[in-house]
Amino acid sequence: GAGVSQSPRYKVAKRGQDVALRCDPISGHVSLFWYQQALGQGPEFLTYFQNEAQLDKSGLPSDRFFAERPEGSVSTLKIQRTQQEDSAVYLCASSLEGRGQETQYFGPGTRLLVL
Amino acid sequence: AQSVAQPEDQVNVAEGNPLTVKCTYSVSGNPYLFWYVQYPNRGLQFLLKYITGDNLVKGSYGFEAEFNKSQTSFHLKKPSALVSDSALYFCAVSPPGSARQLTFGSGTQLTVLP
Repeated sequence: GAGVSQSPRYKVAKRGQDVALRCDPISGHVSLFWYQQALGQGPEFLTYFQNEAQLDKSGLPSDRFFAERPEGSVSTLKIQRTQQEDSAVYLCASSLEGRGQETQYFGPGTRLLVL
Repeated sequence: AQSVAQPEDQVNVAEGNPLTVKCTYSVSGNPYLFWYVQYPNRGLQFLLKYITGDNLVKGSYGFEAEFNKSQTSFHLKKPSALVSDSALYFCAVSPPGSARQLTFGSGTQLTVLP
């Protein structure tokens, strides 16, 4: 079946531009996660949704980062006034909810380069 | 706060030999532990997890991992390495009770030499 998809796969932005990254989770998955992976490092948690509710946004690095999932399915991560330090791969993951359903399945990521 | 350490940035092993990729963790209570693999320009692929039960967990592609509570370790193993196993491996931990915010290690690059 279809996995997690993300678009665009690559994005080049000039410093100061706004960007929007899209994630389509696996159908029926209640939980959705965003991670940021800098070059040569492991992914770092950004935020978590259960259906349309954003239950944890403790990992968002600044108020320039905003995520939404208005209908409990597709999610968008928006970065306003991009900075060079925002250059990274942004990974989306989804999972079912409940005991025994803890595995997060990841998409291919969006590679963002801010010039 | 929870943390994960992967002490080896790089592991080299000859094809056919057993491989081990090390992971230690720090978390209060009984953690959930995961291994993921990442191929170039691709996302993370799930290999296996420990939630509860048997300390030896078997996963995809012949990989297994042993949960050792006393040593706070969760090392990834495979009895016979393949060249196609060459990739970047990540260990991750989540707080007890739910797999929500995953904390990842820094990754270990495995190279299997033909």
